[in-house]
Amino acid sequence: DIPMTQSPSTLSASLGDRVTITCRASHSLNNWLAWYQQKPGEAPKLLIYRASSLERGVPSRFSGGGSGTDFTLTINNLQPEDFATYYCQQYNDYSGTFGQGTKVEIK
Amino acid sequence: EVQLVESGGGLVQPGGSLRLSCSASGFTFSSYTMHWVRQAPEKGLEYVSGLRTRGPITYVADSVKGRFTISRDDSKSTLYLQMSGLRLDDTAIYYCVRGDVSWGPAHYWGQGTLVTVTS
Repeated sequence: DIPMTQSPSTLSASLGDRVTITCRASHSLNNWLAWYQQKPGEAPKLLIYRASSLERGVPSRFSGGGSGTDFTLTINNLQPEDFATYYCQQYNDYSGTFGQGTKVEIK
Repeated sequence: EVQLVESGGGLVQPGGSLRLSCSASGFTFSSYTMHWVRQAPEKGLEYVSGLRTRGPITYVADSVKGRFTISRDDSKSTLYLQMSGLRLDDTAIYYCVRGDVSWGPAHYWGQGTLVTVTS
């Protein structure tokens, strides 16, 4: 298993803000890192894969960065539909561990 | 359009068994790795198990090893999760997920099926 540490657990922000969520792995992931968005009552949705590749249909205000063990998800110009919980997931090994999640709330 | 439809969830007593099914459509099922991910009430996501036909490769999380078995019937485009020895902390929504031809990430998710373990 590769433990994933995601921070912060909660983030308060305003419309139009730029927010950044971080995820740290205990071992190098060779960029096999994904980010998901989950809204209440819904299944998660893939946003970013391979650390920085935008999934088809995902707005360009979402971007992923980092390498090795440290990764970021950045949301530019926060929109009302972006208030949700975000998870990172490593798929460098088969254990597919997720981060603990970051809830983005309205300030 | 990719569709994943889970079924088989419900109420079960501790120590009981359930078999979850996931019917897939809209893609060549046999070519893709399939996974189960669960989410306990008000908690985060937990990876449960994955299965790739090519290889084949199977992974089962330590938390369910020896109790849960993943399988698939490519002729029916269906993924299964046989769960036995169920415990209270297995209570969760179980999502069927389609990965890549190699392994991950989770490109497509089903709507989930709720498993409630209660005495």
